[in-house]
Amino acid sequence: DAMVIQNPRYQVTQFGKPVTLSCSQTLNHNVMYWYQQKSSQAPKLLFHYYDKDFNNEADTPDNFQSRRPNTSFCFLDIRSPGLGDAAMYLCATSQGTQSYNEQFFGPGTRLTVL
Amino acid sequence: SQQGEEDPQALSIQEGENATMNCSYKTSINNLQWYRQNSGRGLVHLILIRSNEREKHSGRLRVTLDTSKKSSSLLITASRAADTASYFCATVRAQKLVFGQGTRLTINP
Repeated sequence: DAMVIQNPRYQVTQFGKPVTLSCSQTLNHNVMYWYQQKSSQAPKLLFHYYDKDFNNEADTPDNFQSRRPNTSFCFLDIRSPGLGDAAMYLCATSQGTQSYNEQFFGPGTRLTVL
Repeated sequence: SQQGEEDPQALSIQEGENATMNCSYKTSINNLQWYRQNSGRGLVHLILIRSNEREKHSGRLRVTLDTSKKSSSLLITASRAADTASYFCATVRAQKLVFGQGTRLTINP
């Protein structure tokens, strides 16, 4: 089945220790998104790739970066995680960014910062 | 900033009852989407309603849209324990999905 896969599902890191979360998709969608979701809150868009074009949200901290080496894979790098970065990180894909395009989400990676 | 706001924030009902969640938004829309999120999981798209539609059905789901009031509602009929989840409405602004805060629905057996 076509899907969005995130690894790992749970990640524990230490304060200040770089961490990378990965996302892959078999849907062949041209858009990939990274969201941060804190407890009982709505997902917050960090950035997205439209094909190879990177689109950063204005309020996304510089501590967060992303790479998309090919259509299928996208990575979220947190250079120096702080306690406030503990959250669920959701990857999503869509074919286009029009209002009628639904997004397909992965199961998420829950990040704990010690 | 949020585009959608859901009401109520939390809802607890007995299995078999109907559940209604409401969403209000601020700006004009072309479409409005509803998503479900089971605890600790990603979101799943439920239904999309276009701005020229007033009502849409999908199985036990019924979505209404009132563009004059900038509001939408999601009705789940004959609720089941498996419907326990958070439900989010979402609209597109500047080519990005903007989610409401969500309604946490608990179905008690």
